[in-house]
Formats: sequence, C-alpha cells, structure tokens
Amino acid sequence: QQQVKQSPQSLIVQKGGIPIINCAYENTAFDYFPWYQQFPGKGPALLIAIRPDVSEKKEGRFTISFNKSAKQFSLHIMDSQPGDSATYFCAAPYSGGGADGLTFGKGTHLIIQP
Amino acid sequence: SQTIHQWPATLVQPVGSPLSLECTVEGTSNPNLYWYRQAAGRGLQLLFYSVGIGQISSEVPQNLSASRPQDRQFILSSKKLLLSDSGFYLCAYGTVNDYGYTFGSGTRLTVV
Repeated sequence: QQQVKQSPQSLIVQKGGIPIINCAYENTAFDYFPWYQQFPGKGPALLIAIRPDVSEKKEGRFTISFNKSAKQFSLHIMDSQPGDSATYFCAAPYSGGGADGLTFGKGTHLIIQP
Repeated sequence: SQTIHQWPATLVQPVGSPLSLECTVEGTSNPNLYWYRQAAGRGLQLLFYSVGIGQISSEVPQNLSASRPQDRQFILSSKKLLLSDSGFYLCAYGTVNDYGYTFGSGTRLTVV
C-alpha cells in the first residue's frame, strides 16, 4: 500500500491567516485527491477534492493546489476562522487491493487562534 | 439520500471480552464498505474492506475480524479484546461511481 506523507503534524495560525497543509504521494491507481476535515469525536467529512485535469480547485475559502510532476498537493484555507480548527487529512487512491481504496495521510491538527 | 449508521458511539470493554461493532448503510446498493481505526497521532489505518456480501479483505494482521452478512451491513468483531485494540473505529462506504468516502460517526472503544 502506498504512502501519503502529510505535513505539518500540527499548525497554529492567527485568525485571518492562511494555513497551508502539504501532501506528497507515490503512485496512484487514478487521479483523485480528496481532503477530509474531522472535528473531535466525529468521523471525517469530505471537504474538497480535485481530479487533476486542473491544477487548482477552489470551494469557498478552501483551495487545493496540485502539482502532478512533483506528486504533491496542498490545502490552503483563506481568511481562516476559529471554526476551522480541526484535524485535516489528505488522501490518495492506491492501486491494487481490489477496491477503490484511499490511503490517508497522518493528519494535521490545525488550531486557529482568535 | 444516502446515510451511514454506526453504533455504539462509545464502548468500554474488559480485556478478553468479545466485541461486535455494527455499521449499516441506507440509500445505496452494492457499496464498497471499509473499517478504519484511528489512533492518536497515527492517522487512519485501513483494517478491512468489502466489495460484496461475504467478501472481506484484510489489510493488516490483527486480533479483529469483519463480516458482511448483508449488502449494506458491515460488522467488526473480536473474540478476545486486547488493550491495544483501544481506539476510534470508523466505518465508511463508497460506491463504484463515487470516488469519495462517507464516514460514519465512529465508535470510541476503550479496552480496560
């Protein structure tokens, strides 16, 4: 199973700042890169995803940037708010295994300070 | 609409006791089903996945097993729990044409 390397592990940003979370992947079964947001005690929820026929996707204050040649993608949160404080996971499809499996990064614990 | 139900929300079990966690999905048919475990600082670890009734694949050797007795039911079990089985267990589903996963609300298992 492939690895997805996510950084940083934790991040503290002042309100209004732009936290950036990075992920690097190995080979994938197909091109689809989602980000999940998880609040304490809850299951992860799909936040935004990109299929790299484009290099960037924006939904509201959340933007994914994708660099296929470098096998990297990142999440930017514009005008961050305390309510964005959560754990964020990136993921990538892995080949083999017989199912549409996603391998997840280890997560980034984000705190937005008021 | 599609929904996923997972229970119980929390569970405290003694070492050596059995375990049964249940997950059901509504509003879709023939989903791929997944069990993940989440430990602090270790992200999401895929334990089992299933592409159909009675079809279970294990990603890591462990003290756990999974079963899929019906199309939209996925069960995680153990005959004898270990302390190391403590964690946050998440069920998820994804359909063939849907690249994303939808996760359940999770079960916090504490083995004492």
